[in-house]
Amino acid sequence: GENVEQHPSTLSVQEGDSAVIKCTYSDSASNYFPWYKQELGKRPQLIIDIRSNVGEKKDQRIAVTLNKTAKHFSLHITETQPEDSAVYFCAASYTGGGNKLTFGTGTQLKVEL
Amino acid sequence: DAGVIQSPRHEVTEMGQEVTLRCKPISGHNSLFWYRQTMMRGLELLIYFNNNVPIDDSGMPEDRFSAKMPNASFSTLKIQPSEPRDSAVYFCASSLGTGRADTQYFGPGTRLTVL
Repeated sequence: GENVEQHPSTLSVQEGDSAVIKCTYSDSASNYFPWYKQELGKRPQLIIDIRSNVGEKKDQRIAVTLNKTAKHFSLHITETQPEDSAVYFCAASYTGGGNKLTFGTGTQLKVEL
Repeated sequence: DAGVIQSPRHEVTEMGQEVTLRCKPISGHNSLFWYRQTMMRGLELLIYFNNNVPIDDSGMPEDRFSAKMPNASFSTLKIQPSEPRDSAVYFCASSLGTGRADTQYFGPGTRLTVL
């Protein structure tokens, strides 16, 4: 089955700096890669996703890049703000897999003032 | 749209008791997922349904856990008997289930504490 590895497990940045979280996956059939943000005590919420037919997707301060050859994808947050502090999860899935998501282990991002 | 609804939001029970968690998916969604989240094991998929049919229950930890989806708008996850190691946050999520991998929307979760 699919295995998703996520790094780093914790990340501390200064407000205004950029943050990068990286994930690798094992199943070359995976073609859908969402990122979820989970604030303390809340539910995971989708912040951005990418499909395998594109290499990069951007939404304001958030971007995701995908390298299918290397089987890795990354989340980039620019101009970080204190409200970006949360746990971020990457995941992978593939069409035909019943939409079953395999999640990474999460990255605790802390944006310091 | 009310989103995915879960009840109860918090449950405290004693070891050996039966626990039933409930979920109402987003209307029109055909796929439903049950997850468990702990600090040690992260976010684990327990079971998922497509069109009310269980597709993959390989994540269900043991026979004490069972899940049903009697209709498109309701699902239950039951633990009988409960044990302290079952303490976790249980999330239900739903998606359109078009056959193409698509977005899963999570409910607010049920925080279960087994004493």
